[in-house]
Amino acid sequence: GAVVSQHPSRVICKSGTSVKIECRSLDFQATTMFWYRQFPKQSLMLMATSNEGSKATYEQGVEKDKFLINHASLTLSTLTVTSAHPEDSSFYICSAIPGISNTEAFFGQGTRLTVV
Amino acid sequence: AQRVTQPEKLLSVFKGAPVELKCNYSYSGSPELFWYVQYSRQRLQLLLRHISRESIKGFTADLNKGETSFHLKKPFAQEEDSAMYYCALSGYAGGTSYGKLTFGQGTILTVHP
Repeated sequence: GAVVSQHPSRVICKSGTSVKIECRSLDFQATTMFWYRQFPKQSLMLMATSNEGSKATYEQGVEKDKFLINHASLTLSTLTVTSAHPEDSSFYICSAIPGISNTEAFFGQGTRLTVV
Repeated sequence: AQRVTQPEKLLSVFKGAPVELKCNYSYSGSPELFWYVQYSRQRLQLLLRHISRESIKGFTADLNKGETSFHLKKPFAQEEDSAMYYCALSGYAGGTSYGKLTFGQGTILTVHP
């Protein structure tokens, strides 16, 4: 199956700093990638849809100035958590679908962000 | 608004027993339904989707539009089935909408020896 890789797997940062999370499709091109957030013992919540070459589409309630998404190439999307605060601590997961009509989304392994 | 509900957070069965993980959904159009599984320390992976009507690892799920349900079933559970299971919905609009998923809360299945 197709592989999606996230980096880093874990990151600890100080409050007020920014942290960037990368999501790469290793063996396929992904015009669209998706970013999810998962709180402990809760479900995955879609944050935004990342579109290659254009602006991301954010879900209601997600601050686009806080969670900057860049999709500069067909294999890379980045999520930057700006001016991080402890409440931003969470598990962030990306997914991607090959092509434009495939019905399966492939997920990254997730990134555990801890803001201290 | 679309919503997916998995009423059971935890489900325990013994090896060889039947198992059913419940999933109900709310969506005004014609949804695409999926079951994703997450084994310990691994990433989410697709288990099955209603449109392909296939059986994967002995699991099946039938979409019941009347009851708006998509329950996951397996007649004889195995220890290696222990995992977190998520039911997910995609509002079909073609192409990339399949990646835009609404997840249920997840059910942790434990199969005891």
